[in-house]
Amino acid sequence: ETGVTQSPTHLIKTRGQQVTLRCSSQSGHNTVSWYQQALGQGPQFIFQYYREEENGRGNFPPRFSGLQFPNYSSELNVNALELDDSALYLCASSFAGVMTEAFFGQGTRLTVV
Amino acid sequence: GEDVEQSLFLSVREGDSSVINCTYTDSSSTYLYWYKQEPGAGLQLLTYIFSNMDMKQDQRLTVLLNKKDKHLSLRIADTQTGDSAIYFCAERLMDSNYQLIWGAGTKLIIKP
Repeated sequence: ETGVTQSPTHLIKTRGQQVTLRCSSQSGHNTVSWYQQALGQGPQFIFQYYREEENGRGNFPPRFSGLQFPNYSSELNVNALELDDSALYLCASSFAGVMTEAFFGQGTRLTVV
Repeated sequence: GEDVEQSLFLSVREGDSSVINCTYTDSSSTYLYWYKQEPGAGLQLLTYIFSNMDMKQDQRLTVLLNKKDKHLSLRIADTQTGDSAIYFCAERLMDSNYQLIWGAGTKLIIKP
């Protein structure tokens, strides 16, 4: 058990809707990274938050946005959902982005119909 | 651009050694990682190697890095049924403190 929890575990949404996914980070960690993992693929980096600021972003459109709160928990928001957004969304918490000490949550399985 | 490639499947007999291979394209990689993903579970960091190393051993795991060929391998000695999972190779680029580039994963199948 890593101490990183994500909610909800599963979610079904309709195309065009908006969704918010949540991640609570490991105690002592100040950085949260979000990844999208499509079925049969490796994770793709969405963005990272460090001390409540976005400090890196992958190749995802602006309808993917996020927040980090003072307690370092984080949200991923996706607007105008498309069918291709169906995936496992993973968050990883770390201290200052040090991936050798990052812990992943179990993910949220999003299905867009 | 950056790319990490792995074979999709590997089948080994219980007790044998498993060797999972990975190739990457970006010579500026700083760290290379191996992650394990079991059904319904998140990604678990197994081991990593810094780009100036050739080998790293950690109990049953041995990582070999050939920088000239941009080839990384993970050897699991005495493979057990609990090793059944998908194994991901990932690289961290020199100009990025946070972004990992991932392979598509190798599913390790253990035969009794």
